[in-house]
Amino acid sequence: GAGVSQTPSNKVTEKGKYVELRCDPISGHTALYWYRQSLGQGPEFLIYFQGTGAADDSGLPNDRFFAVRPEGSVSTLKIQRTERGDSAMYLCASSLASHNEQFFGPGTRLTVL
Amino acid sequence: RKEVEQDPGPFNVPEGATVAFNCTYSNSASQSFFWYRQDCRKEPKLLMSVYSSGNEDGRFTAQLNRASQYISLLIRDSKLSDSATYLCVVLMDSSYKLIFGSGTRLLVRP
Repeated sequence: GAGVSQTPSNKVTEKGKYVELRCDPISGHTALYWYRQSLGQGPEFLIYFQGTGAADDSGLPNDRFFAVRPEGSVSTLKIQRTERGDSAMYLCASSLASHNEQFFGPGTRLTVL
Repeated sequence: RKEVEQDPGPFNVPEGATVAFNCTYSNSASQSFFWYRQDCRKEPKLLMSVYSSGNEDGRFTAQLNRASQYISLLIRDSKLSDSATYLCVVLMDSSYKLIFGSGTRLLVRP
């Protein structure tokens, strides 16, 4: 079956702009996670959804970052007033339930000029 | 101090060599341990889980030492296709947040 998909695969934007990154989890997976990976580092947790609700958003770096999952499937990560330091690979993962194996999508590479 | 520490490498080895990576973790409450593989500009993929008794999957052997808070991955008979970054990952009890090390880069040369 289809894996996790993310769009766009690459996004280049200018400092101060707003961006949205989309994640389509594996069908039937109730848990969804966003991670951010900077160059030379491992992925870092941002937010976890169980169904439609954000069960844990403790990894979001500041209030410019927000994520939604209105119907319990597709999720959108939203970044306002982007800064150069936001440049990174944004990875989405999903799992059948919260303690099952997480499957990662191919990521969105965000570049803020 | 980072929660999960790894030697970044790169480890440059010839085909057929045996290579070992180590990883240390700082939180003794860590309960589950994994090795992920990440190819250049791709997503991480689960390579294997790590159990206290040690486990083997073909050419790959993982070991866990809880007393020393140390995890290892041994790759025997290295193949060119093993070239990748290997990420050590830890999960706290009852948690869902994967905690990644920075990765160890392996280059297998012909």
